[in-house]
Amino acid sequence: DAKTTQPPSMDCAEGRAANLPCNHSTISGNEYVYWYRQIHSQGPQYIIHGLKNNETNEMASLIITEDRKSSTLILPHATLRDTAVYYCIVRQNYGGSQGNLIFGKGTKLSVKP
Amino acid sequence: GAVVSQHPSWVICKSGTSVKIECRSLDFQATTMFWYRQFPKQSLMLMATSNEGSKATYEQGVEKDKFLINHASLTLSTLTVTSAHPEDSSFYICSPQTSRYEQYFGPGTRLTVT
Repeated sequence: DAKTTQPPSMDCAEGRAANLPCNHSTISGNEYVYWYRQIHSQGPQYIIHGLKNNETNEMASLIITEDRKSSTLILPHATLRDTAVYYCIVRQNYGGSQGNLIFGKGTKLSVKP
Repeated sequence: GAVVSQHPSWVICKSGTSVKIECRSLDFQATTMFWYRQFPKQSLMLMATSNEGSKATYEQGVEKDKFLINHASLTLSTLTVTSAHPEDSSFYICSPQTSRYEQYFGPGTRLTVT
């Protein structure tokens, strides 16, 4: 079972920041927080991941709370193309089946004009 | 970088026939390959895990004799759905993982069994 909790859906106005929350209260010390998104009928796309420090890349920022029990993915200027299902996943960096990504139901983000 | 291709992107087959899906990592080597499937309006479910040159490990409820996985090289893996039935209609997605645990996803294959 997925170890994360996300709201099922969110709306965001085009051009505004989208803040997607994720709870992972049972995360262990060696588990990373990963974010992927899936646009309809496509394979998931990697967005960002982190262990305990905040991270930023060209797509998004990841804010992880100090106790690591929750995180927020921030899309700074959402566009219509960001409409997708966003998955927050915790995972150890191990090989084999222990290292696979377990997908929950994610958050369906709808960016509206 | 990290380009993954799947072929075919969609396929329609008749019940009882077999279908092979190819997954290639075009610019990196995949030491581990995960195969997922996704039914309409559901999330991705892991089917099996394979390491290059080894037999695949299947998740509970996934028939290994029905879903044949071959991971013959670090850049190619295939999933064969044997004796397909309508309930096997789904979106199949491969996910190669590098030796540094970076995991990428293919674009998916839509299988419809009539």
